[in-house]
Amino acid sequence: KNQVEQSPQSLIILEGKNCTLQCNYTVSPFSNLRWYKQDTGRGPVSLTIMTFSENTKSNGRYTATLDADTKQSSLHITASQLSDSASYICVVSANTDKLIFGTGTRLQVFP
Amino acid sequence: DVKVTQSSRYLVKRTGEKVFLECVQDMDHENMFWYRQDPGLGLRLIYFSYDVKMKEKGDIPEGYSVSREKKERFSLILESASTNQTSMYLCASKPGRWGNQPQHFGDGTRLSIL
Repeated sequence: KNQVEQSPQSLIILEGKNCTLQCNYTVSPFSNLRWYKQDTGRGPVSLTIMTFSENTKSNGRYTATLDADTKQSSLHITASQLSDSASYICVVSANTDKLIFGTGTRLQVFP
Repeated sequence: DVKVTQSSRYLVKRTGEKVFLECVQDMDHENMFWYRQDPGLGLRLIYFSYDVKMKEKGDIPEGYSVSREKKERFSLILESASTNQTSMYLCASKPGRWGNQPQHFGDGTRLSIL
């Protein structure tokens, strides 16, 4: 069964600190993996996409990694800001164009 | 920037009512999607459409129908609303069926069925 699992479910950190969010998937065949950020009361917005051949990709203070062998991805946030408070959703695409969504990690950044 | 607009941010309806949720996108995207989002369950696909007047069932289509009479507009219909359809509904659009372009989401409609 195609599944995407994220950990932790929720995370609280202090402003300026770094954090790492995890995503494990059992999706086959694999096409790509995308991280979305969803602010409270808003729709998800794409942060980055990883294809099979990519190991790491950065978007400002966000760095995503992908290990296709172990079927794991991580999203690392550097020097967190209050505006990083949101839910982060890992989404894996199978070759059939179907998206499999994780349940998200809720991040809260406090001053 | 792509803009996906959902007609209502909040909606309260009664059990048994017929409910229409509207979604409009302004980027001439071919593909449009309706999801519901519930705590602990993530996003689940209800229906999607690859072109005008085309529709495909997603993972949880029961109790819902859709309409796509124009390319830019995709409507979700709750034929007879029930309390278990209380949820956040998200509409999304995407340029083409294949490729790595992201889905662009609206800000959602929080629907409560009393």
